[in-house]
Amino acid sequence: SQTIHQWPATLVQPVGSPLSLECTVEGTSNPNLYWYRQAAGRGLQLLFYSVGIGQISSEVPQNLSASRPQDRQFILSSKKLLLSDSGFYLCAWSVGVTYEQYFGPGTRLTVT
Amino acid sequence: SQQGEEDPQALSIQEGENATMNCSYKTSINNLQWYRQNSGRGLVHLILIRSNEREKHSGRLRVTLDTSKKSSSLLITASRAADTASYFCSYGQNFVFGPGTRLSVLP
Repeated sequence: SQTIHQWPATLVQPVGSPLSLECTVEGTSNPNLYWYRQAAGRGLQLLFYSVGIGQISSEVPQNLSASRPQDRQFILSSKKLLLSDSGFYLCAWSVGVTYEQYFGPGTRLTVT
Repeated sequence: SQQGEEDPQALSIQEGENATMNCSYKTSINNLQWYRQNSGRGLVHLILIRSNEREKHSGRLRVTLDTSKKSSSLLITASRAADTASYFCSYGQNFVFGPGTRLSVLP
């Protein structure tokens, strides 16, 4: 069966520090991968998606970047965090663009 | 913006009652999906309805889709306290999510 992992679960970082969040998927090959951010009590905002290794599409201009160094690994990064980067970050995968998504447990990031 | 809307934003009902949530969207779709999110957790896929379907059932869940009105509804029958969560609809090639409905089921 397929499993998606995200870590860390929570993170508190000072403004200006770097960020690296990792997401890995097990049990499937060539998944579509997604990074979302969710503000408190709000919906999800799609940040990045990837249909293959090295292929990243960005949905909104921001202080973040994403990379996919391996088929089932998706990394969200920032060189210098802003206060506005605080939120709940969710990684997800899907078989294709018109199929259901499967979400990881999320990382709660607080930038202080 | 492609973002749709769910309504109501929040819903509070008693255990055993039915809960209905609505989703409106703005683009043409191949399918529409509903997800549940318990507080502080990831989203869980509930049901997918294709654009050529009008109604779909899964256990206590019933989803309808009206493509002429660009709207969908999620009905949870005989609600339980464990149904307390936020519910989101999602659609479109880039998985647009609405802002969600926060459902509280009171024991």
